[in-house]
Parts: sequence; structure tokens; C-alpha cells
Amino acid sequence: QVQLQESGPGLVKPSETLSLTCTVSGGSIGTYYWSWIRQPAGKGLEWIGRIYSSGSTGYNPSLKSRVTMSVDTSKMRFSLRLSAVTAADTAVYYCARDYYGDYGLSAFDIWGQGTLVSVSS
Amino acid sequence: QSALTQPASVSASPGQSITISCTGTSSDVGTYNLVSWYQLHPGKAPKLIIYEGTKRPSGVSNRFSGSKSANTASLTISGLQAEDEADYYCCSYADRGAVFGGGTKLTVL
Repeated sequence: QVQLQESGPGLVKPSETLSLTCTVSGGSIGTYYWSWIRQPAGKGLEWIGRIYSSGSTGYNPSLKSRVTMSVDTSKMRFSLRLSAVTAADTAVYYCARDYYGDYGLSAFDIWGQGTLVSVSS
Repeated sequence: QSALTQPASVSASPGQSITISCTGTSSDVGTYNLVSWYQLHPGKAPKLIIYEGTKRPSGVSNRFSGSKSANTASLTISGLQAEDEADYYCCSYADRGAVFGGGTKLTVL
């Protein structure tokens, strides 16, 4: 059974870059799209962006200028970098697998447990 | 991109049924049959419970069902159980990516 595990610093200073990695186990990283999603405390979920195993990406327009995603298929992991962070970027960050169904990409079928990242000096 | 609109909270007693609405626009919910629903329990990984509007993943109880009319999708949970108490989020894929609803807290009285 495929499992995802987020890892990275739990505390980032304002204006610096948040970096997280999601490790895939129990299955293949190839031929799938992988997404990052976040949830600020007391707020709803927000899709950050996705990356295909080939490296092609798609980002949320509201975050696009600050987001970079990458994938390392040999290490079965993909990563998120979010630059110039502020307190508004404090959130639980989830990685998830995109499900490709009858109509194309349509859902997130496997999620990690999430990791809390706080932005504070 | 604007979030989809969900009621902030719903509540009902065990055994009853509830429906959570998710209203979008003709650019997302209305055009694409790509609405999914997620159940979030504190400290646990979110769980996909409905995808492509009406389909249930393997292992998800048939007490959960989804539907759509125009720009509004709905999640119905029948025969409520204490374990259903959680936050529920809808999501729609669109050309600009995925957009979520604001979430609905379900309280089982």
C-alpha cells in the first residue's frame, strides 16, 4: 500500500524559503502526478501545486511566483520550495497523490499525515 | 482563485442523514464532473470519500454518496455514526488547478 511521508523543518524565519520533501513508499512514483496542499490553522485546504514524475509542473496562480517543485524518482521523493515566506504561510502542509480517472486528474487519493510549518522569527 | 462555498457546520443525531452542499461556478463545479470529497479527522491523513462526483473508493462505506446539480455538488451521509464526526471538504478540478471548499464541520449529537 502506497504511503506518503512529509519531512522538513518545522520552523522557518520570515522572508526565508520553506523546503519540504515527501517520500513515497510501498509503490511507484512514476506515471503519477503528486501535489502539495496546505491548511492554515482554523482555515480551509489550499492546493499549492503538482508535479509529474517527468518533472512537469502546475502551480496555484496565487502562489506561482514563490513556488518551485521538483522530483527525484531514484530516491522516490518529491519536494516543495516556497520562497519569501510570511506568517500567512504558517500551515499544516500535506503531500498527496493525484488520481487520474475517466476524465483526467480528478482527486487526491492518497495523502500524507501532514507536517506543521510555522513561520516566525 | 475563489474557494468553493460550503456551510460552516452541520449537526445531526446518530442514525439520521445529512447533506453538505458545495457551490462553485460554471468554471469549475458546473463544467467538470471532477468534484471530490474528503474527510478530515484531527491528526490523521485526509481521506478521499467521493471522487468524480458520485464514485466511492474501495473501502468507503456506502453510507456516503455524492451528487451534483448545475454549479452545486452535494455529499450525503446516511445512518450517521459517531465516527463520522469530522471536517468535510469538497474539491473541484478546473483549468487553473484544484480548488477546495472552505470546509464543513459535522457534529454528531
